[in-house]
Amino acid sequence: EIVLTQSPGTLSLSPGERATLSCRASQSVRSTSLAWYQQQLGQAPRLLIYGASSRATGIPDRFSGSGSGTDFTLTISRLEPEDFAVYYCQHYGGSPFTFGPGTKVDIK
Amino acid sequence: QVQLVQSGAEVKKPGASVKVSCRTSGYSFTTYGIAWVRQAPGQGLEWMGWISGYNGNTDYAQNLQGRVTMTTDTSTRTGYMELRSLRTDDTAVYYCARLYCSSVTCYFHLDYWGQGTLVTVSS
Repeated sequence: EIVLTQSPGTLSLSPGERATLSCRASQSVRSTSLAWYQQQLGQAPRLLIYGASSRATGIPDRFSGSGSGTDFTLTISRLEPEDFAVYYCQHYGGSPFTFGPGTKVDIK
Repeated sequence: QVQLVQSGAEVKKPGASVKVSCRTSGYSFTTYGIAWVRQAPGQGLEWMGWISGYNGNTDYAQNLQGRVTMTTDTSTRTGYMELRSLRTDDTAVYYCARLYCSSVTCYFHLDYWGQGTLVTVSS
């Protein structure tokens, strides 16, 4: 089973700043089968990025994903007020399709 | 538009079973599968497994094998997740989500989600 580790656990930033979130896999993720989700408090998760770097439908271009193998990054170029949330990575290169523990982005 | 609408909250006693439904609309049901993900209070997301809308094949998380069954009803475009022998640590919000899986290929990212169903297990 692939274990995903996310860092940092919490990221405290101000609106307008750049956020860089990391997701590391315990072994190589097949075919860049990695997704990022955003979850607001009390809401269902929302798909942001799939295939490591493809934005989902309707996702603003301030969100970008990169990486391959075992190291992946989600970047939010300029934080908007609605971006303060918890972010999860998930691999789907082979069952089980586990999630990382999440990174909380909160307002500094 | 694509919608996944889940059944309402449940309260169960330890040892009981729960069955959560996920009614879908707005897309070709047999071209997609339904995944189930749960989230304990204040915790992260846990992958439970998925079922193909095309042929009903399932893949369950190992830690739930023997307690979970996922099914679909193509006529009503609804997915179901039944969890048996409930324990207090099964208390969580249970989500269904859509993934693309046709007869040719599957993409397992979850692009649409239900609103979640709170299942509380308490004596």
